[in-house]
Amino acid sequence: GAVVSQHPSRVICKSGTSVKIECRSLDFQATTMFWYRQFPKQSLMLMATSNEGSKATYEQGVEKDKFLINHASLTLSTLTVTSAHPEDSSFYICSAGDARAPQYFGPGTRLLVL
Amino acid sequence: AQSVTQLDSHVSVSEGTPVLLRCNYSSSYSPSLFWYVQHPNKGLQLLLKYTSAATLVKGINGFEAEFKKSETSFHLTKPSAHMSDAAEYFCVVSDVGRSQGNLIFGKGTKLSVKP
Repeated sequence: GAVVSQHPSRVICKSGTSVKIECRSLDFQATTMFWYRQFPKQSLMLMATSNEGSKATYEQGVEKDKFLINHASLTLSTLTVTSAHPEDSSFYICSAGDARAPQYFGPGTRLLVL
Repeated sequence: AQSVTQLDSHVSVSEGTPVLLRCNYSSSYSPSLFWYVQHPNKGLQLLLKYTSAATLVKGINGFEAEFKKSETSFHLTKPSAHMSDAAEYFCVVSDVGRSQGNLIFGKGTKLSVKP
């Protein structure tokens, strides 16, 4: 099956700093990638849909200026959490899909903001 | 509007006994339905999917699920649980014909397997 990677797998940062998370589709081209957030013991919530070469589409309630998404190529999307605060601490998961199959999910990035 | 309800937040079974994880959905269109598994601190792995073909869907690791339109259900089963099956399981619905991005996740069912 298709493989999606994320980097880093976990990150600890100080409040007020920015953190960039990368999502890569390793063996297929993904015109669309998705970013989810998962709070402890809860389900995944879609944050935004990232389209290659265009602006991301954000779900209601998600601050686009805080969660910057860039989809510069067919295999890479990045999520930057700007001016991170402790409440941004969470598990961030990306996924990518193609015409053949449902979304393939990355292993997730655990962010801890101190 | 679509929604998915996982009826049990936690299911505990003994090793070697059957597993049943329940899921009900609502959808205005012909849905695609999926089950994903998430092991601790790991990403999501697709177990199986239903996309309007056979109503009994076989997945990986011995899991299967049956789409029952009359009951709007898509329960996940396995005849005999293994210790390695202990994980969080998510039932997911998506509209056929829409962008594949709009997956709606259930709240998850934690499966515990006792020796």
